[in-house]
Amino acid sequence: KNEVEQSPQNLTAQEGEFITINCSYSVGISALHWLQQHPGGGIVSLFMLSSGKKKHGRLIATINIQEKHSSLHITASHPRDSAVYICAVGSYNTDKLIFGTGTRLQVFP
Amino acid sequence: EPEVTQTPSHQVTQMGQEVILRCVPISNHLYFYWYRQILGQKVEFLVSFYNNEISEKSEIFDDQFSVERPDGSNFTLKIRSTKLEDSAMYFCASSAAGTASSYEQYFGPGTRLTVT
Repeated sequence: KNEVEQSPQNLTAQEGEFITINCSYSVGISALHWLQQHPGGGIVSLFMLSSGKKKHGRLIATINIQEKHSSLHITASHPRDSAVYICAVGSYNTDKLIFGTGTRLQVFP
Repeated sequence: EPEVTQTPSHQVTQMGQEVILRCVPISNHLYFYWYRQILGQKVEFLVSFYNNEISEKSEIFDDQFSVERPDGSNFTLKIRSTKLEDSAMYFCASSAAGTASSYEQYFGPGTRLTVT
């Protein structure tokens, strides 16, 4: 079983729709990261959170430590949001990140 | 805004050849990482580096791999004798402190390595 599971694997949406991507993990964590991977391959960090909720522009990330679950929400989605969104966790006993398989999002005009 | 840079962006090499992938981490960062992503697969941890030595490595990081910080600014990954299965995107990352301390990692744009 993967330590980090994401759902859905693929997601298509019409411009303007509200998007939710889910991440569940099975290990104890120090923090959870949401990353965006562009079609060219580059990775950008969107959020790092260890509790509660963070918001940046149209992006919102939440985490429930007790349930070992996090969600990434995109409000008013736009075609430029099309990318792979990756959940990764860091644990207390290691400095590495453990990655999920990613969610491929396509937003159509 | 400071960023992690990597060179080259794309490297093509023949099987059995040595390659060196280069990274310049953010200047005041202390922890450095290499990750790889085989096409269509998830990103995998290779190695972390702190205080001029490897702090952690994965089972992927065998004797064919080595890392070095030769001059205080560059951070390199060497593959001594490349195999076809080494073909992947290699990402360098850096952070101000260790991930266990909940610090953000900043990723470079990646080097696409193609072994023929």
